[in-house]
Amino acid sequence: DVKVTQSSRYLVKRTGEKVFLECVQDMDHENMFWYRQDPGLGLRLIYFSYDVKMKEKGDIPEGYSVSREKKERFSLILESASTNQTSMYLCASSIPGNVEQYFGPGTRLTVT
Amino acid sequence: AQSVTQLGSHVSVSEGALVLLRCNYSSSVPPYLFWYVQYPNQGLQLLLKYTTGATLVKGINGFEAEFKKSETSFHLTKPSAHMSDAAEYFCAVSDGDSSASKIIFGSGTRLSIRP
Repeated sequence: DVKVTQSSRYLVKRTGEKVFLECVQDMDHENMFWYRQDPGLGLRLIYFSYDVKMKEKGDIPEGYSVSREKKERFSLILESASTNQTSMYLCASSIPGNVEQYFGPGTRLTVT
Repeated sequence: AQSVTQLGSHVSVSEGALVLLRCNYSSSVPPYLFWYVQYPNQGLQLLLKYTTGATLVKGINGFEAEFKKSETSFHLTKPSAHMSDAAEYFCAVSDGDSSASKIIFGSGTRLSIRP
């Protein structure tokens, strides 16, 4: 079974703090993704990565950055958290040639 | 550009009744289509997918969906709803299976089951 884990299920941070969301997958997948999920908007792609040290902007990258130093780990960074970044963040992974993505349980981030 | 429209942000059915969740897509290339389910406080789980071949696709938990190219639709159905089906359902479309392919998700439909 593919397992995608996220470091926290719930997180509360203050405005202006630097926030790290960690995602780890154990199936040697090359592709990894970060989405945010908001009511009525579905999932929106923030960043994705095809391989170690590679990253591509998704549809809403503003205010975020990512890091992929190891194949199994993909980190989402909020350099200076703002209240409009309060959301559910979902990580996913996939293998090239198979568009199906496997999702982690999500991190519900609240920025106050 | 691809897009997905899910008709109805909230659908409520009685236990044992037919479940029908509607999804229409827009794609300039033959699409790959998906339905994902999200149970409360969990991530997304793949219900079923259409890539090529048979247009009626069967998934887990008794769900199925039919790809209708002429109607650009991929509606999700289940003959008899169960209380455990209460969840949020997302339709999604992709333009292929290459590394450059992305999945575009609909806004979701919350399914409630009445006893």
